[in-house]
Amino acid sequence: EVQLVESGGGLVQPGGSLRLSCAASGFTFSTSWMTWVRQTPGKGLEWVANIDPDGSSQNYVDSLKGRFTIFRDNAKNSVYLLMNSLTVGDTAVYYCARDLIWGDLDIWGQGTMVTVSP
Amino acid sequence: QTVVTQEPSLTVSPGGTVTLTCASSTGAVTSASYPNWFQQKPGQAPRALIYSTNIKHSWTPARFSGSLLGGKAALTLSGVQPEDEAEYYCLVHDGRTYVFGTGTKVSVL
Repeated sequence: EVQLVESGGGLVQPGGSLRLSCAASGFTFSTSWMTWVRQTPGKGLEWVANIDPDGSSQNYVDSLKGRFTIFRDNAKNSVYLLMNSLTVGDTAVYYCARDLIWGDLDIWGQGTMVTVSP
Repeated sequence: QTVVTQEPSLTVSPGGTVTLTCASSTGAVTSASYPNWFQQKPGQAPRALIYSTNIKHSWTPARFSGSLLGGKAALTLSGVQPEDEAEYYCLVHDGRTYVFGTGTKVSVL
């Protein structure tokens, strides 16, 4: 079965860090671009970052550059999002998705909730 | 930062037709923006419908179609069904990144 399963969300204090994981199965992960998308409660979607198949190239939305890092481990069929200096504004559901081609996010995980609160 | 704007909400009758649009603050949306369309229902992850302007996935119902219209990307729903009630988002390529549209809530009444 083709699926993505995110984990690592939870409650964190402002200024803290969190690492999200996304485990892939059912498709060839090592040849796939992967993307992180977030959705603040009751609001719209925000494209966060993507990474190329061998992990050598990453792209980030300007507003998060320097605080968030996307990386992957193809041996574990997993992609990660390291989030530092978290603020209340980072509270959201974080989804990972496969980018088949030019933003065609054809496979999505169920999402993991990150809550940043004192 | 590029802003991609969609109609906040649209209402359509069952069996009717509705067109959603997706406009970029930086100029015309073209095929080089590789516009994508996603459907999201409450409590669910988004689902891809259309990619590269007008290409459907195997699971996309035939009543959904994508196009370019007057400098915007467009998603047309023809013969709307009650289950089409959802939030719809476009996603466009912007330099080395991507930007989601603000989303359109489609109500079927």
